[in-house]
Amino acid sequence: AQSVTQPDIHITVSEGASLELRCNYSYGATPYLFWYVQSPGQGLQLLLKYFSGDTLVQGIKGFEAEFKRSQSSFNLRKPSVHWSDAAEYFCAVGAQGDTGRRALTFGSGTRLQVQP
Amino acid sequence: EAGVTQSPTHLIKTRGQQATLRCSPISGHTSVYWYQQALGLGLQFLLWYDEGEERNRGNFPPRFSGRQFPNYSSELNVNALELEDSALYLCASSLRPTYEQYFGPGTRLTVT
Repeated sequence: AQSVTQPDIHITVSEGASLELRCNYSYGATPYLFWYVQSPGQGLQLLLKYFSGDTLVQGIKGFEAEFKRSQSSFNLRKPSVHWSDAAEYFCAVGAQGDTGRRALTFGSGTRLQVQP
Repeated sequence: EAGVTQSPTHLIKTRGQQATLRCSPISGHTSVYWYQQALGLGLQFLLWYDEGEERNRGNFPPRFSGRQFPNYSSELNVNALELEDSALYLCASSLRPTYEQYFGPGTRLTVT
């Protein structure tokens, strides 16, 4: 079974600084990878996804992520953080070979705080 | 385009009662997924419905059940509520069976 690890529970960055949120996955084949963002009391918004092809994927709100097979990682980056980016971020994985399940496996989340 | 909608926003029930949560998918989406986000347990997959049929369920007891209607909307029922059922229940939909799932705002269920 697949699993996802987000090593950082909480990260604080200054507004305007760059951001990198870490995500490591465990899966025997190439997974489908996702990043979602959740504002307090809200649902999840899909930021970006990786299925195949170019390992650097662009998403909404200026976010990007890079799939690194050798490191089993899918880190989320943003060059300049805005105060409105403060939220919780979840990395998720889907198993390509498991078409009968369609159940996303989520990491435990990273809470981002943005300082003025 | 309207997103996934869920009702009610909040639901307060007493232990032992039943709760019914509702979800309307994005127009044109045929698959609906339910996830539970409980404090300390993270996001866990509950159920997947497609074309009116239950396709997969997560590691939850049978008192968690649901259905999908002909218009693809869905209902999650939780019977014999327990205190640990208190959580945010998120519904997601997809255009076809896929991992690219779009989530609604959730229903906050509180069991007292």
